[in-house]
Formats: sequence, C-alpha cells, structure tokens
Amino acid sequence: EVQLLESGGGLVQPGGSLRLSCAASGFTFRSYAMSWVRQAPGKGLEWVSAISDGGGYTYYADSVKGRFTISRDNSQNTLYLQMSSLRAEDTALYYCAKDVSWGATMPTSIDYWGRGTRVTVSS
Amino acid sequence: QTVVTQEPSLTVSPGGTVTLTCASSAGAVTSAYFPNWFQQKPGQAPRALIYSISNKHSWTPARFSGSLLGGKAALTVSGVQPEDEADYYCLVHYGGVLVFGGGTKLTVL
Repeated sequence: EVQLLESGGGLVQPGGSLRLSCAASGFTFRSYAMSWVRQAPGKGLEWVSAISDGGGYTYYADSVKGRFTISRDNSQNTLYLQMSSLRAEDTALYYCAKDVSWGATMPTSIDYWGRGTRVTVSS
Repeated sequence: QTVVTQEPSLTVSPGGTVTLTCASSAGAVTSAYFPNWFQQKPGQAPRALIYSISNKHSWTPARFSGSLLGGKAALTVSGVQPEDEADYYCLVHYGGVLVFGGGTKLTVL
C-alpha cells in the first residue's frame, strides 16, 4: 500500500524558514517523480514544485521560485521542501504527491497523495 | 503564467449526467498536456480520478470518464450518485510545470 506521510509544518514568522519532509513507502520511491502541492485555507489546489526520479531535475511554480528548494533522498525514501523567505500567502496545507509514470524526468500526472502538513506564516 | 479555467459550480440531479470542462489559456488542451482530474471532499486530501485524458486509476468508479471536448479536457459523470458531491480539479502539464484549474464545486440536488 502506497503511503505518503508529510511532517515539518508549523507556525513561522514572515521571512522565516521551514523544511517539510515526506516519508514514502509501499512503492519504489527512487523510480518516480514527486511533487509538492499546497492548498490555502478555503482555496483551491496549487502545484508548488516537483523533482525527477533521480533528483537531477527540479521544477517550480513562479510563486515560489528562488525561495523554495525541493530535494529527495532516495536512500531514505524521503522527499523534502526547504522553504525560506516565507510570506503570509504561503500559509497552506502542503501535500506530497507521487507521479503516475515510472522513470519520469518531469511530472505529468499524480496518483497518490499524502494527508498534508499545515504551514502558517504569521507574526 | 498559464491559466487553467473550470466552471466554478455545477448542479446535477441524482442519476443524471454532468460534464465538467478544463480550458487552457495557452490554447487547445491536447494529449501533450496530460490532463488529470481529481475529486476532493471537505476535510480530505484530493483523490485522483483520471490521468492522461481518459485513463482511470484502479479505484476510479466506472461512472467517471475523461475525454477531450472542443479543445478542452472534460470529465463526465454518468449516473451521478449523492456521494459525488465534491470539488473537482483538473491538472495540466506544461513542460515540467503543472497547473491546477480553479476547481468546480459539484452539487448533487
């Protein structure tokens, strides 16, 4: 059974930093691209970032480019999102998501989602 | 930044059929955009329904189907059930960047 378990969320002041983690199990983690998707309170879904299966290619939404860094440790089956220069508009529930396609260098489709970790940016 | 547009809300009667659409500001949606569809109920994580236009996941109920319709991606629900009341989101791929539509709130009434 595929499981994605996010952690690392919390309350942070504007301008601060936070690192999210996603522990994956139930599939061959190193063979799939992974994404982070967020959802602000009462709003729709927003794709944030993705990383290729091997970690060599990374992709970002314009809204987070230059502030967020995605990475992965395939030996630990873990996905990360390092967030810095946080703003109030980054407040959201952050989901980790698995790509459908085996061996993809870029994200195209999502099949499994975690339950999310909440990030609140406020003074 | 490319914008993906969905109907904000739709209402359907139980047992009826409804089609949700997903349009791209970049032009017609094609197979190259790998359109996906997701269902989200209040307080729950999204659930994947359709990928690459019309492919179903193993858990996708048969009444859900995906297609391309008039330059848009489309999700059709045939024989709507009360439990289909939810928010539905499309997702489109643009060369490594993914963009979600704003979502459609489907009411079953």
